[in-house]
Amino acid sequence: AQSVSQHNHHVILSEAASLELGCNYSYGGTVNLFWYVQYPGQHLQLLLKYFSGDPLVKGIKGFEAEFIKSKFSFNLRKPSVQWSDTAEYFCAVTFNNNAGNMLTFGGGTRLMVKP
Amino acid sequence: EPEVTQTPSHQVTQMGQEVILRCVPISNHLYFYWYRQILGQKVEFLVSFYNNEISEKSEIFDDQFSVERPDGSNFTLKIRSTKLEDSAMYFCASQDRRKTQYFGPGTRLLVL
Repeated sequence: AQSVSQHNHHVILSEAASLELGCNYSYGGTVNLFWYVQYPGQHLQLLLKYFSGDPLVKGIKGFEAEFIKSKFSFNLRKPSVQWSDTAEYFCAVTFNNNAGNMLTFGGGTRLMVKP
Repeated sequence: EPEVTQTPSHQVTQMGQEVILRCVPISNHLYFYWYRQILGQKVEFLVSFYNNEISEKSEIFDDQFSVERPDGSNFTLKIRSTKLEDSAMYFCASQDRRKTQYFGPGTRLLVL
């Protein structure tokens, strides 16, 4: 079955540390890949997306992600986190055999950045 | 910047009652979605809607659920007879032409 997994459920970092959050999916066909962020008390916001082309995509707030097709991965990175990055991060995938373009989500990673 | 809005933000209901959750998608979007997140679990797809009909639905979306776009702006999710296990956060999303989905703030539903 098609699925998305995020291996880190909770991550605690100090400000200025580098961040990498893992995301893997299971599907051999074409995918569209997304990272969403949910700040405390707010709704899901799009950080970045990959549809095709350069596998290294840059998003808002200094985030980037790299699609490695051979590893079925789309890891999120940020070189230097800030306290304001404290949030829950969701990887989501559309598998292009779905007529309705539904998103399949990973379980989310809660990031806490200590000042 | 246009946003997806949802009402109410919170709803408490008794088991067996009907609830209607409302969403106003972004105005020029054509695809609409409902997702839900039970506390501590993944965000799960419920249903997608295009051109006034359901285009895809999950196993969760059984006969107790229905969706409609009654007036060209609102997009509603109805649960006919709520169960305890329907307690969750329900998210509406609308999709632009570039296949990116934008989410509303959610409705937290509690069934007692």
